[in-house]
Amino acid sequence: EADIYQTPRYLVIGTGKKITLECSQTMGHDKMYWYQQDPGMELHLIHYSYGVNSTEKGDLSSESTVSRIRTEHFPLTLESARPSHTSQYLCASRSRDFDGYTFGSGTRLTVV
Amino acid sequence: KNEVEQSPQNLTAQEGEFITINCSYSVGISALHWLQQHPGGGIVSLFMLSSGKKKHGRLIATINIQEKHSSLHITASHPRDSAVYICAGRKGGATNKLIFGTGTLLAVQP
Repeated sequence: EADIYQTPRYLVIGTGKKITLECSQTMGHDKMYWYQQDPGMELHLIHYSYGVNSTEKGDLSSESTVSRIRTEHFPLTLESARPSHTSQYLCASRSRDFDGYTFGSGTRLTVV
Repeated sequence: KNEVEQSPQNLTAQEGEFITINCSYSVGISALHWLQQHPGGGIVSLFMLSSGKKKHGRLIATINIQEKHSSLHITASHPRDSAVYICAGRKGGATNKLIFGTGTLLAVQP
C-alpha cells in the first residue's frame, strides 16, 4: 500500500512543453527527495527538501525546479521540456526519526 | 572510484539457490540501505543497516563497519525475487543524502 504517490506514471510530451510531476505523501514526513534515473543507470539526487519552504539542489545538475508549500506535496516542474529530460523521476520521503526511505512508483518521462 | 560499489552487476540463478550480492562503500557513509526495484520502476526499501545483521523472511542483510562492506543474501530464491537490487549509502550530516550503487540485476529462473 503506497503512502507516497507520484503522477503521472507515464508521460510522453513534446519538446518545449511545460510539465509538472506530482509527488504527495500522507505520512507527514519532513524530508522529501527527487531522484533521476536513466535506463540501466544509478539514481542521482536532483532536488531535496527539509520541510515547508525549504528546497535545495542535489548532486546532479537539473533544469527542473521544485516547490514545497505544503508538507505533503513536492512537485517538480520543467518549464520547457527537451529530449535530454527523458528519464525516470523517483520521489522519496523520510521522517526525521525514521531511518528508512519510502519511494514512489516513479514517473517515466519521454520528451519527443 | 564510486562511493558505493556493487557486485555483481548481473546475476542469474536457478530457483532455490542461495544468492549473495555485495556492496562496498567509502568513508563518510553512515548507514547502508538495500532497495529492490522491479521492472516497472517502483522501489521498495528492504533494509537499513548501520551495524550487524537484519533478517526479513528469506532476505538477510549484513554489514561490516570496519571493512565498509555489506551483503544482501536471498535464501531459497524464487522467480519472483527477480529484480534490480540496489545498495545505497547514506551520507552523514544534515542532508542524509543517499549515494546509490549501480544495482545488481537478478534473474531467478524456474
